[in-house]
Amino acid sequence: GQQLNQSPQSMFIQEGEDVSMNCTSSSIFNTWLWYKQDPGEGPVLLIALYKAGELTSNGRLTAQFGITRKDSFLNISASIPSDVGIYFCAGQRETSGSRLTFGEGTQLTVNP
Amino acid sequence: NAGVTQTPKFRILKIGQSMTLQCTQDMNHNYMYWYRQDPGMGLKLIYYSVGAGITDKGEVPNGYNVSRSTTEDFPLRLELAAPSQTSVYFCASSYSNRLNQPQHFGDGTRLSIL
Repeated sequence: GQQLNQSPQSMFIQEGEDVSMNCTSSSIFNTWLWYKQDPGEGPVLLIALYKAGELTSNGRLTAQFGITRKDSFLNISASIPSDVGIYFCAGQRETSGSRLTFGEGTQLTVNP
Repeated sequence: NAGVTQTPKFRILKIGQSMTLQCTQDMNHNYMYWYRQDPGMGLKLIYYSVGAGITDKGEVPNGYNVSRSTTEDFPLRLELAAPSQTSVYFCASSYSNRLNQPQHFGDGTRLSIL
């Protein structure tokens, strides 16, 4: 069953604001991934994290792999209208091969 | 670059009908996956394949079948469509199961069963 808790479920913000969302798990993951899904499209990989404590940026996006390996967060700075979409975290374990476990998603709405 | 291509994009089925969702990738990836996404939920793994001729069940395999006769193609079959299978289906692929080889997704097939 679902093992990742992602929050918040949805966010409504003004353009220019910063955004933070996170995922937590009761068990350890070896990799954390953050995907974005635009309406009518498949998820697109934003950031991949491979080491506990790792902090990685991709433009205005920053993600961190928690020290305990049971959590990760994604920050978006200075949001713009095209940031609208659903953001998913996903975890991967060495023992599960390539299989991913997904969070339930954070629906982000940015008001211009 | 085509990447992962899914067809059809939309389909409406009647209860009890069967259909095949097509997925093909041109990246020479060994690993392929089928997920379903229900409203307000994350993706759940239906089946996956680690190479041609090899398939395995994921989290929610009941009511589905897959085959992998070539590296490029990984079709998903619904034999007796049920309303509970109304969902958006995503196919994905990756080069290997190594942790630094992330999955790439197609644009999905939106399936409604009435």
